[in-house]
Amino acid sequence: GQSLEQPSEVTAVEGAIVQINCTYQTSGFYGLSWYQQHDGGAPTFLSYNGLDGLEETGRFSSFLSRSDSYGYLLLQELQMKDSASYFCVWMDSSYKLIFGSGTRLLVRP
Amino acid sequence: DAGVIQSPRHEVTEMGQEVTLRCKPISGHDYLFWYRQTMMRGLELLIYFNNNVPIDDSGMPEDRFSAKMPNASFSTLKIQPSEPRDSAVYFCASSFSGGGTDTQYFGPGTRLTVL
Repeated sequence: GQSLEQPSEVTAVEGAIVQINCTYQTSGFYGLSWYQQHDGGAPTFLSYNGLDGLEETGRFSSFLSRSDSYGYLLLQELQMKDSASYFCVWMDSSYKLIFGSGTRLLVRP
Repeated sequence: DAGVIQSPRHEVTEMGQEVTLRCKPISGHDYLFWYRQTMMRGLELLIYFNNNVPIDDSGMPEDRFSAKMPNASFSTLKIQPSEPRDSAVYFCASSFSGGGTDTQYFGPGTRLTVL
């Protein structure tokens, strides 16, 4: 079977940097994505890693190490609007997205 | 583009009634996905289509659930008969291709409450 593990909650201060980790155990691997979801909203795509290394998109970066079955999402210069749930998402060979349970990020002033 | 469109946004019904959720994907997208989100089970894939053909329905919980995609611009998810445990937010998403680098665009969701 497959599993994705990420912390359930993270709290950080506005302007700080926060890292949300994700470890996975999957049969077959085609990439790790990150999605953001605000309360009452729909998931929106943030980042994708198909190969090892760091992907940077503005204040957000995502990292993948396939040998360690590990990835993380890094959010810099935190803003209040970054308070949301962040999902680590694995794609299998048939293009199905398997969502982790999500990490709820609370940004405090 | 208007994005993925879902209707209704909210649905309240009584146990035993038929419920039909509707989705219009982004024009030109070949893949359409139906998801369900609950506090207990998180976000789970129910079924997905490629070029209007159902590819994988292994996530459909039981025979009470059915989905169709009669053309490239419309899909339905039907629950008959509905039960209280079906209460959830149902999302439809679409993507241009199924490739790993391709983004799935989610609709605003339908919040279903079955009394």
